[in-house]
Amino acid sequence: DGGITQSPKYLFRKEGQNVTLSCEQNLNHDAMYWYRQDPGQGLRLIYYSQIVNDFQKGDIAEGYSVSREKKESFPLTVTSAQKNPTAFYLCASSIENVEYFGAGTRLSVL
Amino acid sequence: KQEVTQIPAALSVPEGENLVLNCSFTDSAIYNLQWFRQDPGKGLTSLLLIQSSQREQTSGRLNASLDKSSGRSTLYIAASQPGDSATYLCAPERYSGGGADGLTFGKGTHLIIQP
Repeated sequence: DGGITQSPKYLFRKEGQNVTLSCEQNLNHDAMYWYRQDPGQGLRLIYYSQIVNDFQKGDIAEGYSVSREKKESFPLTVTSAQKNPTAFYLCASSIENVEYFGAGTRLSVL
Repeated sequence: KQEVTQIPAALSVPEGENLVLNCSFTDSAIYNLQWFRQDPGKGLTSLLLIQSSQREQTSGRLNASLDKSSGRSTLYIAASQPGDSATYLCAPERYSGGGADGLTFGKGTHLIIQP
């Protein structure tokens, strides 16, 4: 089955800890994106990558890091510098400027 | 910076009604505009994509229009059904010289269709 897989579905972070959210796609899409969704604020772009080994900051990149070593993978690390990490995180990939979304990861702070 | 506003924020109507969801955006330099549906706790499902050169797109009971110059898009839902209950998100795709650079989302319209 082709699609975008995000894991885990639920993730808990302790204070001061870095955590990594996985996003894998087997759609052969060049571009991938990470969004954060907060209640009452809609989705906001964190990072995006239009090609392997290249990525750009979105609107709220502070406290996050990404890598794009492989076309099919775009992991997002939520670092200890992100003071309010509790949110629903959505990964997307696109082809011909149409974006397709994963099922999301819900991150909570212990 | 692109800003997207969706009106109304919430809507509750009996089934069978025809509905209009509105979206406005401040920067008309867009690549395209997508309408998504989101069910509680789930990811997004793309409903319609309108390219910047197009005026409207139709899929089944859904019709979306785009007036790029005035920064407006409308999603029309015909003969609404309880299964249409969800949050509907409007998202223009930003455009730079290098290509499309991600979506900017409105806060959504939370729609409830009463049986």
